[in-house]
Amino acid sequence: ETGVTQSPTHLIKTRGQQVTLRCSSQSGHNTVSWYQQALGQGPQFIFQYYREEENGRGNFPPRFSGLQFPNYSSELNVNALELDDSALYLCASSLEPRDSPLHFGNGTRLTVT
Amino acid sequence: KQEVTQIPAALSVPEGENLVLNCSFTDSAIYNLQWFRQDPGKGLTSLLLIQSSQREQTSGRLNASLDKSSGRSTLYIAASQPGDSATYLCAVYMNYGGATNKLIFGTGTLLAVQP
Repeated sequence: ETGVTQSPTHLIKTRGQQVTLRCSSQSGHNTVSWYQQALGQGPQFIFQYYREEENGRGNFPPRFSGLQFPNYSSELNVNALELDDSALYLCASSLEPRDSPLHFGNGTRLTVT
Repeated sequence: KQEVTQIPAALSVPEGENLVLNCSFTDSAIYNLQWFRQDPGKGLTSLLLIQSSQREQTSGRLNASLDKSSGRSTLYIAASQPGDSATYLCAVYMNYGGATNKLIFGTGTLLAVQP
């Protein structure tokens, strides 16, 4: 079975630009969550998608948005990038929203200059 | 508001030593607790998941315990190896009813096992 894959692995953007990060969930997983991990910190929950619907959101502004597709892959979009958005963005999939372990991808390292 | 704390922040041990990593949380209304491993610049690997009704889980040289009433969990690593060097994170799902889907992480313990 294939694991969670994220693309791209690294990205450099300029303040004010927009970015789209992509995630393919593990086979059979219908739940995708996105986390932001700043250097030296634990991951912070951004939002979760379950069967193509947003199923919960953390304390992130509306310029962070997402999508989940019928094949359960997902996108994270960030508009009007700020310097503080520089972080490792992690996607995780699971069989159900909370009853099973999360399986994480290797993340996308976003640098905003 | 749930807060998850991990002590120590960093730990260095010689190869072969048994060690314990600590995790504490302020709100005992958790649904489950997970331990993860993170290698530098990489994603997280799930090590163990303990449901709130369980006391411990074991996988190979790893044993995780949970004392929900005191808000504590420990990860015990037996016979440590240099390959165990990584950051270890604990995280909790809260049980506020309904679809509780936000995993709250600690800041991790950076483990170095010296050969």
